[in-house]
Amino acid sequence: EVQLVESGGGLVQPGGSLRLSCAASGFSFGGYNMDWVRQAPGKGLEWVGRIRNKADSYTTEYAASVKGRFAISRDDSKNSLYLQMNSLKAEDTAVYYCARRRVGVADDYWGQGTLVTVSS
Amino acid sequence: DIQMTQSPSTLSASVGDRVTITCRASQSISSWLAWYQQKPGKAPKLLIYKASNLESGVPSRFSGSGSETEFTLTINRLQPDDFATYYCQQCSSYPRTFGQGTKVEIK
Repeated sequence: EVQLVESGGGLVQPGGSLRLSCAASGFSFGGYNMDWVRQAPGKGLEWVGRIRNKADSYTTEYAASVKGRFAISRDDSKNSLYLQMNSLKAEDTAVYYCARRRVGVADDYWGQGTLVTVSS
Repeated sequence: DIQMTQSPSTLSASVGDRVTITCRASQSISSWLAWYQQKPGKAPKLLIYKASNLESGVPSRFSGSGSETEFTLTINRLQPDDFATYYCQQCSSYPRTFGQGTKVEIK
């Protein structure tokens, strides 16, 4: 069974940093591209970014709203995905989801999400 | 960036109704469109990919159509479990933008 479990969310002050993790199981993690998607309270979905697999050199893409502040990485040996978030702003407050990207399809499996609250 | 616009934002319907949600892209995305269903407090669930392909395990009352800039999600014979918010997402270029969502409510 495919499972994605996010962790690392919490309360952080504006300007602070936080690192989210996503533990994957039930599939060959290293073969898949992975996405981060967020959802501010009561709002819609916002794509945050992507990291490709080793075959595509672990290249990344980011939304303009987070580029230069957030960094996506992965450790295939640990079946884990990460989102390093720096210079956090109040508008980064959201539930953050990791999702598996099936090539040529879409995000077919999602984690349950982890809440990040940026507030003083 | 490609803008995705869904209509309506809210839809009131009854069990057994046929429901149609529209998603428009600000430029051509060919058939690179996905539809997701989200219930309160839950992660999104993939329903349709490449505009018209039904994801495995999704009931056949869900269908998708369209290409280029205009797409529709249709739910035939609406069931109680279908009351949720639906999002489209373009998978043509970066950033991968979502529509603002359509909430399907009980009439």
